[in-house]
Amino acid sequence: TQLLEQSPQFLSIQEGENLTVYCNSSSVFSSLQWYRQEPGEGPVLLVTVVTGGEVKKLKRLTFQFGDARKDSSLHITAAQPGDTGLYLCAGITSGTYKYIFGTGTRLKVLA
Amino acid sequence: DVKVTQSSRYLVKRTGEKVFLECVQDMDHENMFWYRQDPGLGLRLIYFSYDVKMKEKGDIPEGYSVSREKKERFSLILESASTNQTSMYLCASSLWRSHDYEQYFGPGTRLTVT
Repeated sequence: TQLLEQSPQFLSIQEGENLTVYCNSSSVFSSLQWYRQEPGEGPVLLVTVVTGGEVKKLKRLTFQFGDARKDSSLHITAAQPGDTGLYLCAGITSGTYKYIFGTGTRLKVLA
Repeated sequence: DVKVTQSSRYLVKRTGEKVFLECVQDMDHENMFWYRQDPGLGLRLIYFSYDVKMKEKGDIPEGYSVSREKKERFSLILESASTNQTSMYLCASSLWRSHDYEQYFGPGTRLTVT
């Protein structure tokens, strides 16, 4: 079974701090996505990365896909309380319909 | 906007009951998925369907079955609910494009089996 390990599992920081969340696997993925889930809602897609080494920015969020397409990171600059939520990475291997989801990182940003 | 709706937000059932969870999407997506979400385990795929009447087992299909009679509707069935099926159930739908397809999720059904 393919696994995607996320770290840290929990993170509580003050508003204005920077943070990085990691998503690691021994498997190679053809693409990888990051989702954010707020309480009482389903996950919502933030970004998809498909090329090894690719970097994408979404306002204060920076996503990077590892060169070997086995890992990814999410960096948040100057975190705000609105960034609070559960962050999930999800990878897909070529030729399948299925995404493998990571274990999740629960972020709380304190005002 | 894509909308995925689930029939109930909260459900409480007794052990041994047959449980139906319904999911409807309004964007003509080919693919539909059922996941369960448990703390520390992320989302685990139960079943997915890539066309009407077509289904494939996910990683944890035991104790579950599914039905897709119409393209917009995908049902998850717990034939005989057990306490270890207490969980958050999420439905999702997507188009299929090579390397890049977004899953749209419903709000989830929190099922408690007592």
